[in-house]
Amino acid sequence: DAGVTQTPRHEVAEKGQTIILKCEPVSGHNDLFWYRQTKIQGLELLSYFRSKSLMEDGGAFKDRFKAEMLNSSFSTLKIQPTEPKDSAVYLCASSWDWGREQYFGPGTRLTVL
Amino acid sequence: GEKVEQHESTLSVREGDSAVINCTYTDTASSYFPWYKQEAGKSLHFVIDIRSNVDRKQSQRLIVLLDKKAKRFSLHITATQPEDSAIYFCAAGDYGSSGNKLIFGIGTLLSVKP
Repeated sequence: DAGVTQTPRHEVAEKGQTIILKCEPVSGHNDLFWYRQTKIQGLELLSYFRSKSLMEDGGAFKDRFKAEMLNSSFSTLKIQPTEPKDSAVYLCASSWDWGREQYFGPGTRLTVL
Repeated sequence: GEKVEQHESTLSVREGDSAVINCTYTDTASSYFPWYKQEAGKSLHFVIDIRSNVDRKQSQRLIVLLDKKAKRFSLHITATQPEDSAIYFCAAGDYGSSGNKLIFGIGTLLSVKP
């Protein structure tokens, strides 16, 4: 079974740009998560989908962050417009069901200049 | 909001000794407590979990203890090896109306010295 794949692995953006990060979950998994990882804040949940339905839109991240899941095997995270404080590693994870381990992708390292 | 606090930000042990990482949580509805490991330059992967219907679980050299009254859980790594060196994250989740959501601790950097 292929794991969670994320593209691109690295992204450099100018302030104010729009960037789109992509994720392919493990086949058959019902839950998909987007997290942001920084040294100071740790892992913060941005969005959570269950069977393609948006369950959590990340509260404080709503205004410039938009995750979508158009089909069960592909999700995107759009950041618009980017700001330097968005520099972080963005992780996608998927899970079969509640109480089951989450499988994490390798992450996208975003740098906003 | 709900929080998970991880009490040790760094931990250094000698190879062969035991390491203990402690976490506390605030949401009394939490019923699922997984641990994840992140090695240098890599992503997170699952190591062990415990559910609220038990207070102890062991998988080889890993032991997880849960004290629901104190809202505290801990990861014990026995007979540590250099390859145990990594950041360990605890997490807590409840299956409420929000479904499968986890709150993560900030992480503990474990160094196992030969």
